Amino acid sequence: QKEVEQNSGPLSVPEGAIASLNCTYSDRVSQSFFWYRQYSGKSPELIMSIYSNGDKEDGRFTAQLNKASQYVSLLIRDSQPSDSATYLCAVNIGNQGGKLIFGQGTELSVKP
Amino acid sequence: GAVVSQHPSRVICKSGTSVKIECRSLDFQATTMFWYRQFPKQSLMLMATSNEGSKATYEQGVEKDKFLINHASLTLSTLTVTSAHPEDSSFYICSARGPRTNYGYTFGSGTRLTVV
Repeated sequence: QKEVEQNSGPLSVPEGAIASLNCTYSDRVSQSFFWYRQYSGKSPELIMSIYSNGDKEDGRFTAQLNKASQYVSLLIRDSQPSDSATYLCAVNIGNQGGKLIFGQGTELSVKP
Repeated sequence: GAVVSQHPSRVICKSGTSVKIECRSLDFQATTMFWYRQFPKQSLMLMATSNEGSKATYEQGVEKDKFLINHASLTLSTLTVTSAHPEDSSFYICSARGPRTNYGYTFGSGTRLTVV
């Protein structure tokens, strides 16, 4: 089992809709969870970090964490064509010196 | 905010030569930096963890003699790809955690290496 898993997509949503991105992880000790956005040929940029169970909202983005289910998600409200990118879920693997392990990424396409 | 500078952004080298990539934390000290490699349409794969003043810790399957990592100061880590081959062509990205432990990870802009 991979340490961090995501559906590779592509996920296609119409402009203005809610995009829902999901991620599961295998290490129960993990404490820090991150969502990054990556445009083609560019480095990842941080969207959200979440450390506690529940929801965390920042503008159009909401991260949800459920440690019991080892599940973290990202919701993008009012999706825009500029949101089209690959979204990477990353987990700080516990007890391994702060290593950040990435899922394979979900490609999101927002259609005008 | 935290800034990590990575150079060069793009390099083309001949097969058999070595290439050095630099990663600097500009406004904070990073005792630990991470090096990733990303092939087209794939995710970031962690290559090694670079620790200031000590040897790097390599992930399984990564050749430490081929990918030399030096972290001589709290703001600079370098990755040298030795005896490069075409299959080493990839996007190499460094990251650092800081400036505080709960800040998250800041990434450099990446280096596109092409070995011809």
